[in-house]
Formats: sequence, structure tokens, C-alpha cells
Amino acid sequence: KAGVTQTPRYLIKTRGQQVTLSCSPISGHRSVSWYQQTPGQGLQFLFEYFSETQRNKGNFPGRFSGRQFSNSRSEMNVSTLELGDSALYLCASSSPGTSGGKEFFGPGTRLTVL
Amino acid sequence: DQQVKQNSPSLSVQEGRISILNCDYTNSMFDYFLWYKKYPAEGPTFLISISSIKDKNEDGRFTVFLNKSAKHLSLHIVPSQPGDSAVYFCAARFGNEKLTFGTGTRLTIIP
Repeated sequence: KAGVTQTPRYLIKTRGQQVTLSCSPISGHRSVSWYQQTPGQGLQFLFEYFSETQRNKGNFPGRFSGRQFSNSRSEMNVSTLELGDSALYLCASSSPGTSGGKEFFGPGTRLTVL
Repeated sequence: DQQVKQNSPSLSVQEGRISILNCDYTNSMFDYFLWYKKYPAEGPTFLISISSIKDKNEDGRFTVFLNKSAKHLSLHIVPSQPGDSAVYFCAARFGNEKLTFGTGTRLTIIP
């Protein structure tokens, strides 16, 4: 099976702009989670989608939003970018009952905000 | 509130010796624990996991130990190899809730 894919891999934006990141999960996986990784902060949970519905949400401002499509692909949007949004954004997919609770991560999108 | 803590940001170990990475948690409801390994510019990859009904799980050179009374998790790598140099994250979950990750420990294996 192909792994989790994320596009684009690298992105440079300026403050105030908005950005959309894309994630394609492993075939058959219906759950997609998004994480932000910054130095010293580990992986901070953004949100999880399951069957097109947001199931869990982390403590991020409303500028961070997401959605999931019927084919389980997911997008994450960040509006009004701030310098502090520079981070590696990771997407992970899982399938309750078949992946044993494990999440499988994509390579991430490195976002730099100037 | 950091429910999963990795108090050692870095660890250096000689090649061939044992690497021990530690993780503490505060939420007694967690029932599933995982370790992930991350190389630069790549996403984390799953390494090993353990259910709360067990106290040990072994997979090749990797063993995870769970001490529920102490709310402590550890990962042992024996013997350590240069390719083990990476950042290791522990994670925990309760039921279908989200995974909660620690801040990571950077392991460096010295040849």
C-alpha cells in the first residue's frame, strides 16, 4: 500500500496570507489527524477527521481549520498567517480496528512564514 | 498541561550499548502507548506499542516497558546502532481519543 502523502512538501508565505495543505491517507484509512511540530514543543494535535466529520480538536485558534472529503483526503487551512505558524505540519492516517490504534504519518509540509 | 512528558531532550549512547528512553504520563485513563521514531525531514514512523494490560512488549532490538503504578514508560534499544540516531517520541491515548505526544528525545549513537 502507498503511504500517507502530503503536498506541498515546502511552502513559503508572508504574514497575513492564507495557506492550504493537502493530505492523502493510506487507502482504506478513514481517520486523518493533523499535527504541528515546532522545536521544543513536540507534536501538537490540531484536529482529527473521521468520515468527513471532525471528531477531535486541539487547542489552536480558529485560524486553523480543516475538512475531509468523501474519499478520506483531507485539507488543512491556516488563515491570516503569523510568524509563529512556521512549523512542520504532519498528517497521519489510521483505521480503528485494523491499524491497532497506530497512526501512520506522512512526510510533512514545512511551512515558513516571513 | 503536558500529559505526556519526556524529560530528557537528548541522550548520547555508545554503539553496541543499551539506549534507554523514558516517558512519564499523568492521565491514568491512557490505555495504549506508542513509540515513534523521527528522522529529519521525514514524518514519524511507528516503532513499537504496548497496551495497558501488559507490562512489556518486545520486537527485535526494541523493548517497551510499562509501569502503570509509576505512570512510566520506557523504551530499551539493545544493541544500539548508528541508524538508531533520531528523535524518539512517546505517545499515549485513551480509547478513540487523540494521541497525546511527548516533546521528544534526540538519541545520538556514538560510533
